[in-house]
Amino acid sequence: QVQLVQSGAEVKKPGASVKVSCKASEYTFTQYDINWVRQAPGQGLEWMGYMSPNSGTTRYAQKFQGRITFTRDTSTSTAYMELSSLRSEDTAVYYCTRGTRDRVSQYYFDYWGQGTLVTVSS
Amino acid sequence: DIQMTQSPSSLTASVGDRITITCRASQTINTYLNWYQQKPGKAPKFLIYAVSTLQSGVPSRFSGSGSGTEFTLTISSLQPEDFGTYYCQQSYNVPFTFGQGTKLEI
Repeated sequence: QVQLVQSGAEVKKPGASVKVSCKASEYTFTQYDINWVRQAPGQGLEWMGYMSPNSGTTRYAQKFQGRITFTRDTSTSTAYMELSSLRSEDTAVYYCTRGTRDRVSQYYFDYWGQGTLVTVSS
Repeated sequence: DIQMTQSPSSLTASVGDRITITCRASQTINTYLNWYQQKPGKAPKFLIYAVSTLQSGVPSRFSGSGSGTEFTLTISSLQPEDFGTYYCQQSYNVPFTFGQGTKLEI
């Protein structure tokens, strides 16, 4: 059974950085993208970007450019999302999700991590 | 960026009802349209991709239709476990955008 297991909740002060991990299991980590999606309290889903673990290629949503970094460790099948210069508006649950592209280029998020709550507060 | 707009924002229905949620894209997205269900405090669950293809294990009472810019998710006979918030999402191009969600209460 494919699983994505994320690291635990974080509390950070404004201006700090946070790094969230996402450990994949029961599939070949390098064959699927990892996307990151966040959800502020009571709000909808916001796509942040993706990484292709095989090549290390990343694509970030413009909103987060300059503040976000995706990395991975293929030896442990773990993806990381680091967000810097945190502000209160970054308080949200952060999800990693596997991006699957099928034979006709349809692309979808088929497996999700359990989410990591990041709270930014002074 | 492609804007995705869902209607209604919320919906109350009864067990056995047939309900439809509409999702409109600000430009054509061909058939690059997916649906997710989210329950409170849980991660989203993948339901449908390519407008109408059900993910394995999704009950057949769920169906999707549409093309271009207008799409629908239909649940033919609501069950108690269908409550939650439903999101459409376009995968036509990046940034991959979601609708604002439709909260379904039963």
